[in-house]
Amino acid sequence: GESVGLHLPTLSVQEGDNSIINCAYSNSASDYFIWYKQESGKGPQFIIDIRSNMDKRQGQRVTVLLNKTVKHLSLQIAATQPGDSAVYFCAENILLVNTGGFKTIFGAGTRLFVKA
Amino acid sequence: KAGVTQTPRYLIKTRGQQVTLSCSPISGHRSVSWYQQTPGQGLQFLFEYFSETQRNKGNFPGRFSGRQFSNSRSEMNVSTLELGDSALYLCASRIRAIDTQYFGPGTRLTVL
Repeated sequence: GESVGLHLPTLSVQEGDNSIINCAYSNSASDYFIWYKQESGKGPQFIIDIRSNMDKRQGQRVTVLLNKTVKHLSLQIAATQPGDSAVYFCAENILLVNTGGFKTIFGAGTRLFVKA
Repeated sequence: KAGVTQTPRYLIKTRGQQVTLSCSPISGHRSVSWYQQTPGQGLQFLFEYFSETQRNKGNFPGRFSGRQFSNSRSEMNVSTLELGDSALYLCASRIRAIDTQYFGPGTRLTVL
């Protein structure tokens, strides 16, 4: 079935290092992918997105890479800071051909720990 | 522009009761979606409303229902609460289905 999954449930990195969070998806029809950050006690916060006609997009300290050949998505965080500690979710927008609408499927999430 | 707001933030109910949660989307956003988040199941899609019409529904029992008003505000209702309904209920809004969703802080529901 359709799914968006994460390779690693937890990731621990040293402050200042780069972090890479991975995500696999299974639906070839997905055309839009989003990364969210969720801190304890808060709702998910939008970080960065990428459309299927791109393979890379950069934001402030973050880069998302999309490999459609292997259906893989990654989030790279440069110079990771303690404030980056959170759960990161990838999400996939899938076109519903019957209705013309979209549905969003979220991955299980990866918890990032940043060691000072 | 104000973000998505949800009320109440915390709620404690007992089994068998019903509950109504409220969500006010970002101004101009006509689509509102609801999610249930639990440690074991992650983010599970409940339903989506657009212009007062339910456009999409997840795999939840009929005890979970929702509606959207003409001002795009939305409510979700859970009847005959069960212990397993304890979760963080998140509301997200967007301009159109193709756009990015923006989440509210959630309502933490505890069923005793």
